Amino acid sequence: GAVVSQHPSRVICKSGTSVKIECRSLDFQATTMFWYRQFPKQSLMLMATSNEGSKATYEQGVEKDKFLINHASLTLSTLTVTSAHPEDSSFYICSAARDRNTEAFFGQGTRLTVV
Amino acid sequence: GNSVTQMEGPVTLSEEAFLTINCTYTATGYPSLFWYVQYPGEGLQLLLKATKADDKGSNKGFEATYRKETTSFHLEKGSVQVSDSAVYFCALLGWVNEKLTFGTGTRLTIIP
Repeated sequence: GAVVSQHPSRVICKSGTSVKIECRSLDFQATTMFWYRQFPKQSLMLMATSNEGSKATYEQGVEKDKFLINHASLTLSTLTVTSAHPEDSSFYICSAARDRNTEAFFGQGTRLTVV
Repeated sequence: GNSVTQMEGPVTLSEEAFLTINCTYTATGYPSLFWYVQYPGEGLQLLLKATKADDKGSNKGFEATYRKETTSFHLEKGSVQVSDSAVYFCALLGWVNEKLTFGTGTRLTIIP
């Protein structure tokens, strides 16, 4: 299957700082990338869908100014958590698909801890 | 909206035991159903899927049957191995809005 690499796998940051998480499709071009968040003992929740070259579509309840998503190329999408707070501590995971109608492949996830 | 309810773990079994991880769903229309697996340090991988009622998905000895009458998609394996230790996620793809909805995941540990 196709490979999606997510970096970093773990990050600890201070409250009020920003953190950037990268999602790369290593061996295919991804026109669509998805970002999910998982709180302990809860489901993976879709945060936003990004299409290369256009603005991301955010799910209801997700603050677009806080979770900045950039999908500037067909192999890279980034999620920046701005002014992070302890309640943003979570597991963030991305997936990438060649297009909306094909199988999406997942990254390894990023464990964010805000202290 | 759509939802997936999955057996809460962790689940610990001995090698060669029979495995069942329950999954039920709520959705309108005709969703597609999936099981994903996440091995330690790796991303989620599609394990198997079923796109319509009574379909059976299978892969690596795992099976799941799409039961519309009970809105279930239970994962089974007849004889588990240590290498099956992972987190398993049940998910559905909405019929109307094509977004994946996941269960909470079940951590499975197989002991020799």
